[in-house]
Amino acid sequence: ETGVTQSPTHLIKTRGQQVTLRCSSQSGHNTVSWYQQALGQGPQFIFQYYREEENGRGNFPPRFSGLQFPNYSSELNVNALELDDSALYLCASSWGSNEQFFGPGTRLTVL
Amino acid sequence: KNEVEQSPQNLTAQEGEFITINCSYSVGISALHWLQQHPGGGIVSLFMLSSGKKKHGRLIATINIQEKHSSLHITASHPRDSAVYICAVSVGDTDKLIFGTGTRLQVFP
Repeated sequence: ETGVTQSPTHLIKTRGQQVTLRCSSQSGHNTVSWYQQALGQGPQFIFQYYREEENGRGNFPPRFSGLQFPNYSSELNVNALELDDSALYLCASSWGSNEQFFGPGTRLTVL
Repeated sequence: KNEVEQSPQNLTAQEGEFITINCSYSVGISALHWLQQHPGGGIVSLFMLSSGKKKHGRLIATINIQEKHSSLHITASHPRDSAVYICAVSVGDTDKLIFGTGTRLQVFP
């Protein structure tokens, strides 16, 4: 068991709404990465947080934003939801650049 | 062309068969990961390697840095091995992961 948890498990939103997804890192991990996985595709890197600062970003627009808290839990916020944002959102925690441990994911459906 | 390519995309096998999944990449990496994803989405890290070979139970992963190629082998496959196997590489200062599209494996009794 990895110890990384995500909430909620499933979420349905409508176009234009805002959503917040949460990730609780494995104990002792100071780095969290977020990924988007569209149906039938491999995950795509959204961004990474290290010690509460954004530490790298993939090719995602600014309406995708994040936070990491002092206890190293994390949030992914998406504003102005679009239909194409429907996907499985995965977070992964690690100690620096070591092996990443993934959470079970949040499946977001945008109608 | 994707930076990480896997083959085959789909694989079926009979229980007990030896399985090989291949991964090629075209970028400089700090490490290569083999991951397993079951229906429902959860991803489990199987291996992280930067050289040579690693073994865990019936799973073996190898990497050839010069040829930019890695293989995942499953010996004595079992129906519970049925899953999507994903190759990913760590790149850049953040060690962000670039993923292949996965290999869907089905092992029949």
